[in-house]
Amino acid sequence: KNQVEQSPQSLIILEGKNCTLQCNYTVSPFSNLRWYKQDTGRGPVSLTIMTFSENTKSNGRYTATLDADTKQSSLHITASQLSDSASYICVVISNTNAGKSTFGDGTTLTVKP
Amino acid sequence: GAVVSQHPSRVICKSGTSVKIECRSLDFQATTMFWYRQFPKQSLMLMATSNEGSKATYEQGVEKDKFLINHASLTLSTLTVTSAHPEDSSFYICSAILSGAYEQYFGPGTRLTVT
Repeated sequence: KNQVEQSPQSLIILEGKNCTLQCNYTVSPFSNLRWYKQDTGRGPVSLTIMTFSENTKSNGRYTATLDADTKQSSLHITASQLSDSASYICVVISNTNAGKSTFGDGTTLTVKP
Repeated sequence: GAVVSQHPSRVICKSGTSVKIECRSLDFQATTMFWYRQFPKQSLMLMATSNEGSKATYEQGVEKDKFLINHASLTLSTLTVTSAHPEDSSFYICSAILSGAYEQYFGPGTRLTVT
């Protein structure tokens, strides 16, 4: 069964600190992996999309990594801000199965002043 | 980036009534739209995949007669929750993709409360 597991489930950090969120998946065959940020009561917003050949991709203070061999991805947030408090969702898309998306349960990040 | 809107953003209805939620792609044509449901502190659960001009494909366990989906144009899909019950109260989110593209654009969500 295709799965996406995220850790930690929740995380509290102080403003200005860095943090790393993890995503392990078993989805196969792999097409691409996406990280989304979802604010409470809002729809998810895309942060990064990574294909098989990409190892690292940055979007401002967000840097995503992908190791397609070990089927692991991480999202690193640098110099966190209060507005980074949100749920971060890892989504893996299959190359078959009609391009189906498998969602992780998300990591809830709280940035405190 | 591309914009997807949903209307209404919030709706409260009485048990037994029907509610229609609209999902629009504002600046692109979406051949495929998805409908998700999200309960508190849980991730998005795919309900159905909607392709323009054809019947929606529902996920296992989702009642197609209860959640009616219509994708009449390349920019509009609707989800109608029929004979709503309190357990249907949830956050409903749609998304749309450009034909052949990776990116999935999500709408802002609709909070449905059934009293």
